[in-house]
Amino acid sequence: EPEVTQTPSHQVTQMGQEVILRCVPISNHLYFYWYRQILGQKVEFLVSFYNNEISEKSEIFDDQFSVERPDGSNFTLKIRSTKLEDSAMYFCASSPRARGLNTEAFFGQGTRLTVV
Amino acid sequence: GQQVMQIPQYQHVQEGEDFTTYCNSSTTLSNIQWYKQRPGGHPVFLIQLVKSGEVKKQKRLTFQFGEAKKNSSLHITATQTTDVGTYFCAGINTGNQFYFGTGTSLTVIP
Repeated sequence: EPEVTQTPSHQVTQMGQEVILRCVPISNHLYFYWYRQILGQKVEFLVSFYNNEISEKSEIFDDQFSVERPDGSNFTLKIRSTKLEDSAMYFCASSPRARGLNTEAFFGQGTRLTVV
Repeated sequence: GQQVMQIPQYQHVQEGEDFTTYCNSSTTLSNIQWYKQRPGGHPVFLIQLVKSGEVKKQKRLTFQFGEAKKNSSLHITATQTTDVGTYFCAGINTGNQFYFGTGTSLTVIP
């Protein structure tokens, strides 16, 4: 069964460092998403991406964050200068169609980011 | 701003008892999805509801979308230990923005 894969599964970084979280969405999907989940809390939307551009972003997704689809298969989330409060599980998701068109999102296993 | 709240936040039930989680949105939704997240796992899609008043069933799970499309519920009949996890609703508003609810963590005591 096709699945969304994320690497690494765990990333520890020093405050102020840049991190790149990588995702390979399901191959025929067109919509890609990043979410984060602080330990014990709800899943929070960060950004959605379609047709090589950001289609929506939340207030969490500030100038420290960026996304890219560099080669048609990978979908990356970059955090330029990490803060302690960026520590969370980051989930990538993809879907074949837009949210409003009766479709589900398939989530990756997540990358646990720890900022020290 | 948009808020999707769920109650209760936590629920402990004896195996075999029923369980219900309620999802309430501050604004009208175009549709709602439900996800289950096992401990240490990632959200897994369960179902989507689109129509006002819609009711859908998946074995022991019953999902309902309110008439005003601002609330939804998930009811599990005769819980099993495999039902353990956090259940999230996710509302899509008329602006096609997507918000997860706060989640209900279910513990099933054997």
